[in-house]
Amino acid sequence: SAVISQKPSRDICQRGTSLTIQCQVDSQVTMMFWYRQQPGQSLTLIATANQGSEATYESGFVIDKFPISRPNLTFSTLTVSNMSPEDSSIYLCSVEDYGQGNYGYTFGSGTRLTVV
Amino acid sequence: GESVGLHLPTLSVQEGDNSIINCAYSNSASDYFIWYKQESGKGPQFIIDIRSNMDKRQGQRVTVLLNKTVKHLSLQIAATQPGDSAVYFCAENQAVVGSQGNLIFGKGTKLSVKP
Repeated sequence: SAVISQKPSRDICQRGTSLTIQCQVDSQVTMMFWYRQQPGQSLTLIATANQGSEATYESGFVIDKFPISRPNLTFSTLTVSNMSPEDSSIYLCSVEDYGQGNYGYTFGSGTRLTVV
Repeated sequence: GESVGLHLPTLSVQEGDNSIINCAYSNSASDYFIWYKQESGKGPQFIIDIRSNMDKRQGQRVTVLLNKTVKHLSLQIAATQPGDSAVYFCAENQAVVGSQGNLIFGKGTKLSVKP
């Protein structure tokens, strides 16, 4: 199955600043997904990123707050902009992984963000 | 540190017993379901999946049951081990015409295994 490297693994940031999270996959994938997992909660999809087109955002998430880049088929970044303490969460990237079954999805280990 | 599981329902079982984790899904049109295991400090790991044309699928020590009538999914873990302690999430794939769809995650259950 695909191997995902996500950086940074954790960070503590000042409010009002921005953090860019990187996701590198060891194989070419069409779609990459970005999720947020708030403390004690389940995963919520932020956006879907296809190479060569703008990301598709879910309800409640906007490009100005969470700009995404997808420069090639193995890499994506998610930026959390103008952070506030409410943005403290785990952010995860994910890819479809057909090696696991019809529509298996593999996840990175996540970025634990604390905004102070 | 972060506390995944702080607000999640907890299932506590004795080592060696069988565990059953339940999940209600939302969309009767969902056609693919996955169970994930998330250990502390890690991303979700794929455990087992099932398509909507099946009602049971078995893996190594795990079985997933699907009841489409009541939109219910369960994960059974046989002979539960301390290494099974984690948060378990069900996820449904709401495939949309013209799209590969994306996963919708359930609330999660924290499994705690007592030695």
